[in-house]
Amino acid sequence: GDSVTQMEGPVTLSEEAFLTINCTYTATGYPSLFWYVQYPGEGLQLLLKATKADDKGSNKGFEATYRKETTSFHLEKGSVQVSDSAVYFCALSDPTGGYQKVTFGTGTKLQVIP
Amino acid sequence: DAGVTQSPTHLIKTRGQQVTLRCSPKSGHDTVSWYQQALGQGPQFIFQYYEEEERQRGNFPDRFSGHQFPNYSSELNVNALLLGDSALYLCASSFWTADNSPLHFGNGTRLTVT
Repeated sequence: GDSVTQMEGPVTLSEEAFLTINCTYTATGYPSLFWYVQYPGEGLQLLLKATKADDKGSNKGFEATYRKETTSFHLEKGSVQVSDSAVYFCALSDPTGGYQKVTFGTGTKLQVIP
Repeated sequence: DAGVTQSPTHLIKTRGQQVTLRCSPKSGHDTVSWYQQALGQGPQFIFQYYEEEERQRGNFPDRFSGHQFPNYSSELNVNALLLGDSALYLCASSFWTADNSPLHFGNGTRLTVT
């Protein structure tokens, strides 16, 4: 079945540091890939997405590139801020399972210190 | 524009009891999905409703059932509660007809089974 594996946290960075959160996936079909973010006390919200190989999703300074050859979708940001502290979830939706069913990774907690 | 709303926010039940959780989708959305998020884990897909029918189901027992009403709101019912059902239950809404329509999540209902 479909699965998503992401690096374990917590990840602690100083403000303005470079961020990478690794994510790899296994899917039956040709999935769409997502990063969702969960800020403290809030629900999950979509951060960015990519729907085909070599697509780059970007939002709020975060980027991730759909790498079909390595089945990866790593999240990056050049300079993190304290306000980026949250839990980040890599996810996929597989057309063979119906696009509306989303499979999530276990989440990576990011803490940014001033 | 109201987002996804869930009620109640917290609930404490005893083993063997039954519980009903409620969800109102984001205005304009016609599809509701339910997810279970155990502590420290990613959300796990329970099932999805569209046009008042269950369209997809994850790997959850029949103790988990749901309903969607004509106004698109939804209920999640869990019978014969087990300690392992303690989790955050998330409702997400989306458009059925749009491939890769991003999920909009509510803040969840925290269920504790004692």
